[in-house]
Amino acid sequence: NAGVTQTPKFQVLKTGQSMTLQCAQDMNHNSMYWYRQDPGMGLRLIYYSASEGTTDKGEVPNGYNVSRLNKREFSLRLESAAPSQTSVYFCASSEEARGVGGYTFGSGTRLTVV
Amino acid sequence: ELKVEQNPLFLSMQEGKNYTIYCNYSTTSDRLYWYRQDPGKSLESLFVLLSNGAVKQEGRLMASLDTKARLSTLHITAAVHDLSATYFCAVGTSGTYKYIFGTGTRLKVLA
Repeated sequence: NAGVTQTPKFQVLKTGQSMTLQCAQDMNHNSMYWYRQDPGMGLRLIYYSASEGTTDKGEVPNGYNVSRLNKREFSLRLESAAPSQTSVYFCASSEEARGVGGYTFGSGTRLTVV
Repeated sequence: ELKVEQNPLFLSMQEGKNYTIYCNYSTTSDRLYWYRQDPGKSLESLFVLLSNGAVKQEGRLMASLDTKARLSTLHITAAVHDLSATYFCAVGTSGTYKYIFGTGTRLKVLA
């Protein structure tokens, strides 16, 4: 009963390096999301995928790209990491369109860019 | 642009006491969620509120929604230490997939 699985859990990058955060869900959900969480700012939506084959920008998409590889997997890529991207990243999924049923969140990836 | 405000940001309360967390939002919405987050952990869904006057209860927590006032409340009854966590509300923008989260309320229940 894994739910939403994110990898890695922790990562330290140097400025300018690239990396991909992986997310997979086993609940057959249609919609998947990437959020970042910063102290005092709640969670902010980076990108989302309403269904397999579609992706759209959220509130803070600059510096990120995403790929909805298949129904299960939704990855987030940082092409050239910057210190401002130091954050905790959460992947989430929802069964129904527009998340009416609420989200299921992964355990998070704590990213530090030095 | 939808804005979501939660208050208070921090709440320290004694066990056995009652208190309410408020979530105000700025534009029309058709969905509101409450989540709980323990330190260093992920977010856990507590309640989904979809209509005006909706009320949901789970244990010592009760959430309600007033869409006319653009206000949701999370009421804590007879708090216990296990309720110590950060609570977030999230509001859905009608017609889109975007959810705006409040900044969270960090609750500490003292024994």
